[in-house]
Amino acid sequence: NAGVTQTPKFRVLKTGQSMTLLCAQDMNHEYMYWYRQDPGMGLRLIHYSVGEGTTAKGEVPDGYNVSRLKKQNFLLGLESAAPSQTSVYFCASTKDSIGYGYTFGSGTRLTVV
Amino acid sequence: GESVGLHLPTLSVQEGDNSIINCAYSNSASDYFIWYKQESGKGPQFIIDIRSNMDKRQGQRVTVLLNKTVKHLSLQIAATQPGDSAVYFCAERGAGTASKLTFGTGTRLQVTL
Repeated sequence: NAGVTQTPKFRVLKTGQSMTLLCAQDMNHEYMYWYRQDPGMGLRLIHYSVGEGTTAKGEVPDGYNVSRLKKQNFLLGLESAAPSQTSVYFCASTKDSIGYGYTFGSGTRLTVV
Repeated sequence: GESVGLHLPTLSVQEGDNSIINCAYSNSASDYFIWYKQESGKGPQFIIDIRSNMDKRQGQRVTVLLNKTVKHLSLQIAATQPGDSAVYFCAERGAGTASKLTFGTGTRLQVTL
């Protein structure tokens, strides 16, 4: 049982490049989330999904897009990377709206130069 | 807006002493609270949670206290060990918010020998 798997673990991008971060969970969770974590700050919600085919904006959605084509996968895309998007990105999932457990991935460290 | 904050950014305790990490929250409608531990280079690790209909919950060496009157959450770690050194985050879930978590900024716990 792998839980939540994020790929890649590290990436360096040049300004203007695009990339996709993949989050995969094998727990049959309905709800999935993308957070970013910056130094000295807690995790901030970028986008989330309450089920296959659904997505919604979180606290800091600008510059990111997401897709949830399959229940187990939640993709985070950066169309044109900016230095301000240098951060550590975490994916999380939970069973449903009344679930009492959240599982986090180990993170993707992204540097935009 | 909704926010979850911490009183102390860094807490230094001696090995064997008890640690208390505090958290203030502002959303009185939050129904669920979680404490996470994050070690360097890793994702948040679940420590303990508490539902809003409770005021205390105990785990192994950890206790969470919830005071809804003053919107305060605390994490108590008994007999603090060097392995407890990490950043600790509190998180709240607002009722009816698609199970989104709002995180505090974190407290670094340093255990001295």
